[in-house]
Amino acid sequence: DAMVIQNPRYQVTQFGKPVTLSCSQTLNHNVMYWYQQKSSQAPKLLFHYYDKDFNNEADTPDNFQSRRPNTSFCFLDIRSPGLGDAAMYLCATSSPGGTSTDTQYFGPGTRLTVL
Amino acid sequence: AQSVAQPEDQVNVAEGNPLTVKCTYSVSGNPYLFWYVQYPNRGLQFLLKYITGDNLVKGSYGFEAEFNKSQTSFHLKKPSALVSDSALYFCAVRDDKIIFGKGTRLHILP
Repeated sequence: DAMVIQNPRYQVTQFGKPVTLSCSQTLNHNVMYWYQQKSSQAPKLLFHYYDKDFNNEADTPDNFQSRRPNTSFCFLDIRSPGLGDAAMYLCATSSPGGTSTDTQYFGPGTRLTVL
Repeated sequence: AQSVAQPEDQVNVAEGNPLTVKCTYSVSGNPYLFWYVQYPNRGLQFLLKYITGDNLVKGSYGFEAEFNKSQTSFHLKKPSALVSDSALYFCAVRDDKIIFGKGTRLHILP
């Protein structure tokens, strides 16, 4: 089945220690998103890629970076995690055009704990 | 600026009763409206969307939503609730980008 996969599902890191979360998709979608979701809150968009074009949200801290080496993979790098960065990180994809316009398909998320 | 509001943090419904989860929106142009559901420790799952056409939109798991332009609302409904419908529900609106509401936790009581 076509899907969005996130690894790992649970990640524990130490304060200030860089961490990378990964997302892969078999949907062949052009657009990939990274969201941060804190406990029972709305997902907050950090950035997205439209193909190779990177679009950063204005209020996303510089501590958060992303890479998309190819259509299938996208990475979220947190350079120096703080306690406030503990959250669920959601990856999503979408494909512009047609009946699927703007429908986002989410992965299961990676829950990040910062000690 | 676009916005979406879910006025209820939590909704409790007895199993078998109809349910409604409320959503209102504000956009500058024609709205694209969505409902997503999130189960514990999982990502969001798409339920349904309104782009254009019939005001009543049918989606997954027996859910439907009614687009009401005059009231700027897009309430989620289901005629008969199941315990398995208990989850966190997000309304979303797209204008220049997609914005999610804060979510409504739905509890279906056996």
